[in-house]
Amino acid sequence: DAMVIQNPRYQVTQFGKPVTLSCSQTLNHNVMYWYQQKSSQAPKLLFHYYDKDFNNEADTPDNFQSRRPNTSFCFLDIRSPGLGDAAMYLCASQVGTKNIQYFGAGTRLSVL
Amino acid sequence: DAKTTQPPSMDCAEGRAANLPCNHSTISGNEYVYWYRQIHSQGPQYIIHGLKNNETNEMASLIITEDRKSSTLILPHATLRDTAVYYCIVRVGGSQGNLIFGKGTKLSVKP
Repeated sequence: DAMVIQNPRYQVTQFGKPVTLSCSQTLNHNVMYWYQQKSSQAPKLLFHYYDKDFNNEADTPDNFQSRRPNTSFCFLDIRSPGLGDAAMYLCASQVGTKNIQYFGAGTRLSVL
Repeated sequence: DAKTTQPPSMDCAEGRAANLPCNHSTISGNEYVYWYRQIHSQGPQYIIHGLKNNETNEMASLIITEDRKSSTLILPHATLRDTAVYYCIVRVGGSQGNLIFGKGTKLSVKP
């Protein structure tokens, strides 16, 4: 059974229209991550939560925000999507005392 | 930037061992070597990791050189389902280390 679940698998939005991607995990992990993966590129870390502590990567655009209302759920908000934000967005979770990240299947975002 | 160097692509015959090399010459003493793979249109999947000793699990074996400057991931009997991009990543242990993905090796297993 999937342990890190991302919904939806495919998301289409319009240029400039806010969009939210969701991720949930059934593992009770205290660390959750969001990655962006553009076509034919490697995943790139956007930010992560260690418990409720938010850690933003230095080069993550302000257009990207995240919320973690509880241990199980984490959201990625793109406030004004541009064409360059079309990508696969990957969520992952990890237990703080271990070093293995478990990834969801990803949400592929298209911006029209 | 990623601290590893991998060949961009490799081929392997089905049923044969796949040996994927990785150079990490600037690895620090507290950094582990991790391997993940990503099958097309799926999220990355953890394979194995190690610090300095060789490691083996149900998926693969990891051979780390004594000076820790390089390592090899071994898939002992590759199948068509092992076709994927394989990422070698070095990261510090514990919760503070993040995964910085390099370009990886595209492994194609052929019948």
